[in-house]
Amino acid sequence: AQSVTQLGSHVSVSEGALVLLRCNYSSSVPPYLFWYVQYPNQGLQLLLKYTSAATLVKGINGFEAEFKKSETSFHLTKPSAHMSDAAEYFCAGLMDSNYQLIWGAGTKLIIKP
Amino acid sequence: NAGVTQTPKFQVLKTGQSMTLQCAQDMNHEYMSWYRQDPGMGLRLIHYSVGAGITDQGEVPNGYNVSRSTTEDFPLRLLSAAPSQTSVYFCASRDDGPNSPLHFGNGTRLTVT
Repeated sequence: AQSVTQLGSHVSVSEGALVLLRCNYSSSVPPYLFWYVQYPNQGLQLLLKYTSAATLVKGINGFEAEFKKSETSFHLTKPSAHMSDAAEYFCAGLMDSNYQLIWGAGTKLIIKP
Repeated sequence: NAGVTQTPKFQVLKTGQSMTLQCAQDMNHEYMSWYRQDPGMGLRLIHYSVGAGITDQGEVPNGYNVSRSTTEDFPLRLLSAAPSQTSVYFCASRDDGPNSPLHFGNGTRLTVT
C-alpha cells in the first residue's frame, strides 16, 4: 500500500541550529511530493513541492527539501532555525491515478531559545 | 483576497444534533475537499468534489454528507453528530491539475458532547 511516513511526532532544536524533518514515501511510481506547514490555530499552507523538475526544491521561509529516489525520501531542512518556525509540518504525496493526497501524521517542530 | 473561508470557527453540539459546516472559495477552483484533523493521524479526506454537481467519498465519509451546487460553495453536513466526530475540520480547494497545491481554510473546531 502507498504511504507517507514522517519520523518523529515531535522534533526539538535550538534556535540557530539545523532543522531536519524526515519524510519517506512508499510508491511504485514517481510521486508528486509536498511539504505543508500549519501554524497554531490556522490552516495548512504550502511550503514547497516536488514535481520531478529538480531534485532539490526550495520553498518559503528558507526551507528546502531533496528528493532521493534511491532512499524514497523527501526530507525537509533549514540551515538555521528561528523561533517563528515553531509549527507542525506535514509531508504529503500524490502517488497514483486517484489524485488524492496521502498525508503523513505530521511533525511538531519545537524551537528552544 | 479571501481565499477559502470556513464558518463557524467553533461549534459545540450534543450527540444526535445535526449541523452544516460552511466553506466558500473565491478562486474559481473546481476541486474542493473536506478533511478532518485528529492528533497523530494527519489529515483524513472525508469528501471531495471536482466540480459543481460532482461529489465523491474520501477515506472517512460515514456520518457526513456534501453537495456542490455552485463552484464557490461546498458545505459539509453532519447528519447525527457523535462524539467520534469531535475534530478540527478543514476545507481546501485547488486549481486544476493534481499537483496543484491545496489552499486551506482556517478550520472549524467541533466538539460533540
